[in-house]
Amino acid sequence: DTAVSQTPKYLVTQMGNDKSIKCEQNLGHDTMYWYKQDSKKFLKIMFSYNNKELIINETVPNRFSPKSPDKAHLNLHINSLELGDSAVYFCASSQEGQATLWYEQYFGPGTRLTVT
Amino acid sequence: KNEVEQSPQNLTAQEGEFITINCSYSVGISALHWLQQHPGGGIVSLFMLSSGKKKHGRLIATINIQEKHSSLHITASHPRDSAVYICAVRSYNTDKLIFGTGTRLQVFP
Repeated sequence: DTAVSQTPKYLVTQMGNDKSIKCEQNLGHDTMYWYKQDSKKFLKIMFSYNNKELIINETVPNRFSPKSPDKAHLNLHINSLELGDSAVYFCASSQEGQATLWYEQYFGPGTRLTVT
Repeated sequence: KNEVEQSPQNLTAQEGEFITINCSYSVGISALHWLQQHPGGGIVSLFMLSSGKKKHGRLIATINIQEKHSSLHITASHPRDSAVYICAVRSYNTDKLIFGTGTRLQVFP
């Protein structure tokens, strides 16, 4: 009964390649996120989608392109991978838009990307 | 300077001790989150609060909006509490989550 799942869990690839990370949530949430955790364990938001529409787009290189085919999925495609892209990428979801403004986040297990 | 600061960065405790982790922030917020990241990497949301105090088992979270400060307390700490605890605030202006750098807690038996 995984609430937020990501695939793959580990991804090792060479510089210049294009890769995708998939995320799915079965919680019925409206909003999904991608976060990047760097080598110093610092988490930073990259994107947020609400009902398949882009809401937050941090200053992320346009080599990173999120795709949301439906509100249960938010995939992350990365073109021309660079060494600095090595990190752990977390997908998360929350039920936005409630009157209480309570946006509890549910995180996926993370995808460790290593670019060589 | 980071908009969300946590202290201490590292914390070591003996089993049974009372633990406090602090979070200070400099932006207007609509909510504050406490997250736990296990040694295996998984992240779990512990609390989300915008005022007062919340309690869940041995964990207690408090927030003082005027002082822009929150604390996470763990009573009767246990080795399984060993993890990184992360404070994150939702900015009132931008609606983005801004994360602290985390506090690494190790509880020894």
